[in-house]
Amino acid sequence: SQQGEEDPQALSIQEGENATMNCSYKTSINNLQWYRQNSGRGLVHLILIRSNEREKHSGRLRVTLDTSKKSSSLLITASRAADTASYFCATEQGGSEKLVFGKGTKLTVNP
Amino acid sequence: SQTIHQWPATLVQPVGSPLSLECTVEGTSNPNLYWYRQAAGRGLQLLFYSVGIGQISSEVPQNLSASRPQDRQFILSSKKLLLSDSGFYLCAWRGISGTSGGALGLEQFFGPGTRLTVL
Repeated sequence: SQQGEEDPQALSIQEGENATMNCSYKTSINNLQWYRQNSGRGLVHLILIRSNEREKHSGRLRVTLDTSKKSSSLLITASRAADTASYFCATEQGGSEKLVFGKGTKLTVNP
Repeated sequence: SQTIHQWPATLVQPVGSPLSLECTVEGTSNPNLYWYRQAAGRGLQLLFYSVGIGQISSEVPQNLSASRPQDRQFILSSKKLLLSDSGFYLCAWRGISGTSGGALGLEQFFGPGTRLTVL
């Protein structure tokens, strides 16, 4: 079953604007990860946030995690056309060797 | 550095035909290996994962099977394909925590995928 659910399903913005994507999940987790997928390609890991962390930064990416609400957000600042892709959250539960992925947010950044 | 290979890149098969997709990883030892399927416009569905040679965990009952004959080789098979088997198949690996090259070793690294169309 899908643990993570991203919102919105699709997002279209202009270059230079910020893009925010949200992810909700259902059970307790060890960590939450965000991945990016260009059309027709494999996924690329972006950032991981542990359950005891609240915020993490990597370049233009900012991830927050609220375990009380079982939700996470991914913010991409100063977006570029090259950021156009689908973004997925994935959760890892305690003691599990696997990730459970959401359905993803399709981001389009218009030049 | 570690690399992951999948082949073929695309495949068109008739209903009822067999399937064999191969995934190999280089540059690491004893990785966890994963097979996912992605339907058009959908998220990833975990099909199988393996934590060692000959150890296969099945996530979704179906007419697919997986095998791990060698440490860095993962094979997805079917004896008779169904129309519903069409999709984008992705292989991924994860190292033992701290050994995959990432900061925490918990991230997964994906292959380029195989686009399977069953007609």
